[in-house]
Amino acid sequence: DTAVSQTPKYLVTQMGNDKSIKCEQNLGHDTMYWYKQDSKKFLKIMFSYNNKELIINETVPNRFSPKSPDKAHLNLHINSLELGDSAVYFCASSPSGTDYSFFGPGTRLTVL
Amino acid sequence: GDSVTQMEGPVTLSEEAFLTINCTYTATGYPSLFWYVQYPGEGLQLLLKATKADDKGSNKGFEATYRKETTSFHLEKGSVQVSDSAVYFCALSEGTSGSRLTFGEGTQLTVNP
Repeated sequence: DTAVSQTPKYLVTQMGNDKSIKCEQNLGHDTMYWYKQDSKKFLKIMFSYNNKELIINETVPNRFSPKSPDKAHLNLHINSLELGDSAVYFCASSPSGTDYSFFGPGTRLTVL
Repeated sequence: GDSVTQMEGPVTLSEEAFLTINCTYTATGYPSLFWYVQYPGEGLQLLLKATKADDKGSNKGFEATYRKETTSFHLEKGSVQVSDSAVYFCALSEGTSGSRLTFGEGTQLTVNP
């Protein structure tokens, strides 16, 4: 009965590879997000989708491409991984008409 | 743009000590303010929130009051426990219906028995 789930929890890969992280929420929320947490714990928004439509796209390299097949899922695909992409990526969702979010457990990406 | 500044950590306290983590913000409008907590190896959980000036958010013994005049939202707890050891994030959101969260830097709290 997990509210916001992410897979995988850990991802270790080589530079130059392409990888995806999946996120699903079973809360019926309309809006979903991707946040990046760097090694100093600083959290910053990357993308936001509302009902499968992209509404926030921060200054993120175009190697990062979010995809929302339906409003319960928001996946993050990363091409040509670089060392600096190593971080914890959090998915989150929020219900319509509210200003708070529910977060997933995070995916720790390590690029070697 | 919006920003949130938290007191630098890490903070180390003994059990039953008083906790204050300072948070100030800059925003163009009238944001909602939040404290999120991240326990080791876990995602963020909403700890408390306040949506307008002078509101007090409270949960699990933690409190924070929305002070518009000082643009602050300091987190306090009268008596911390070892289980409170975590990273605490102050955040703001401007608007409803899926607005982004702008986070502070996070403050690592360690409570020793």
